[in-house]
Amino acid sequence: AQTVTQSQPEMSVQEAETVTLSCTYDTSESDYYLFWYKQPPSRQMILVIRQEAYKQQNATENRFSVNFQKAAKSFSLKISDSQLGDAAMYFCAYRSVSSGTASKLTFGTGTRLQVTL
Amino acid sequence: DTGVSQDPRHKITKRGQNVTFRCDPISEHNRLYWYRQTLGQGPEFLTYFQNEAQLEKSRLLSDRFSAERPKGSFSTLEIQRTEQGDSAMYLCASSLGTGGRRAKNIQYFGAGTRLSVL
Repeated sequence: AQTVTQSQPEMSVQEAETVTLSCTYDTSESDYYLFWYKQPPSRQMILVIRQEAYKQQNATENRFSVNFQKAAKSFSLKISDSQLGDAAMYFCAYRSVSSGTASKLTFGTGTRLQVTL
Repeated sequence: DTGVSQDPRHKITKRGQNVTFRCDPISEHNRLYWYRQTLGQGPEFLTYFQNEAQLEKSRLLSDRFSAERPKGSFSTLEIQRTEQGDSAMYLCASSLGTGGRRAKNIQYFGAGTRLSVL
């Protein structure tokens, strides 16, 4: 079974600065997807960024980028030019590509990000 | 696209009572998922539908839990004889599964139903 580990329960960053959230995962599969989801307080979870394991190039979405290290099974999220609206719980998630388990997401325990002035 | 909606947002019940939650997915999405999230944890998968067929169930889904998706549209999750350990946020997500291993199948989440069992 796959597992996802987020070792930073809380992180803090000053507005306009850069912060990196860590995620490691364990799998015996070679083909899978990795995601970062953001969950603001009392609001629904939204997708921040997605990485396909077979692609070596790191995904980027505006101020959000990932550092995907497949051999190390590491998938960190970098947020540049942090904004107050980035404050939320961030979850790393894994999805298998193999048939039969192709749908469910396996989540880490989350990192709460605080953004200060 | 009105997003995934869940009803109710909050439910307080007494131990032993039955509760039912509803999820309305994004209209063209054929896949629907239920997750459970307890305090300080990430969401955990409960079950998954493709159209009206329930294709996968987690071991977390005990006999007291049942989910349906009649006609492949909205879904209901019922918990019978609730226990205090059932207290959690129940999240619904939907996706457009176009088939194939490389399908994007991005899951969009609702705001959840928070259940408190007294």
